[in-house]
Amino acid sequence: AQSVTQPDIHITVSEGASLELRCNYSYGATPYLFWYVQSPGQGLQLLLKYFSGDTLVQGIKGFEAEFKRSQSSFNLRKPSVHWSDAAEYFCAVGGLDSGNTPLVFGKGTRLSVIA
Amino acid sequence: GAVVSQHPSWVICKSGTSVKIECRSLDFQATTMFWYRQFPKQSLMLMATSNEGSKATYEQGVEKDKFLINHASLTLSTLTVTSAHPEDSSFYICSANPRQGQNSPLHFGNGTRLTVT
Repeated sequence: AQSVTQPDIHITVSEGASLELRCNYSYGATPYLFWYVQSPGQGLQLLLKYFSGDTLVQGIKGFEAEFKRSQSSFNLRKPSVHWSDAAEYFCAVGGLDSGNTPLVFGKGTRLSVIA
Repeated sequence: GAVVSQHPSWVICKSGTSVKIECRSLDFQATTMFWYRQFPKQSLMLMATSNEGSKATYEQGVEKDKFLINHASLTLSTLTVTSAHPEDSSFYICSANPRQGQNSPLHFGNGTRLTVT
């Protein structure tokens, strides 16, 4: 069965510090991986996605993620966090036909940014 | 880019009434739409998959008679919460894919906050 694990429920970082949010997945076929961000009371915004090719993918807002098949991981990184990055982050996995199969989400990691 | 519009963004209703939530794909045709539910500070849980021209497929534990889904056209899916109760209060989010959607990410609406009093 497909599953996504985000081990960190809540992370606090200082503004300007680097960030890494962990994501591990379990999927029976070639996974398609996504990171979404959600501000309080808002919908989801796609940060980046991995389908194939280069395992280091660049996204919006200065985020990047690296797909590591051997570790079944897709960790999200940002070199310098801004206060506006405080939000909930969700990792998700989908199938080959990601449009016709639903995404499975992790439980999310809440990011707090302190001055 | 592809846009999914969800309406209303928030709604308050009295217990026992029904509420309809609309999900529209604005610039593409969506053969498949997904409805998710999100409890406070929790993840998104898939409720059902609606396919244009056929009945929705509900996830285990989701009452299909309570959460009526109609995929009326290639650009519209509706979720009706019937005889709503306070425990139905939640954040509902829809998502859709372009018709030729292989290797395309799902596009999400901005969600509907339902509060049942």
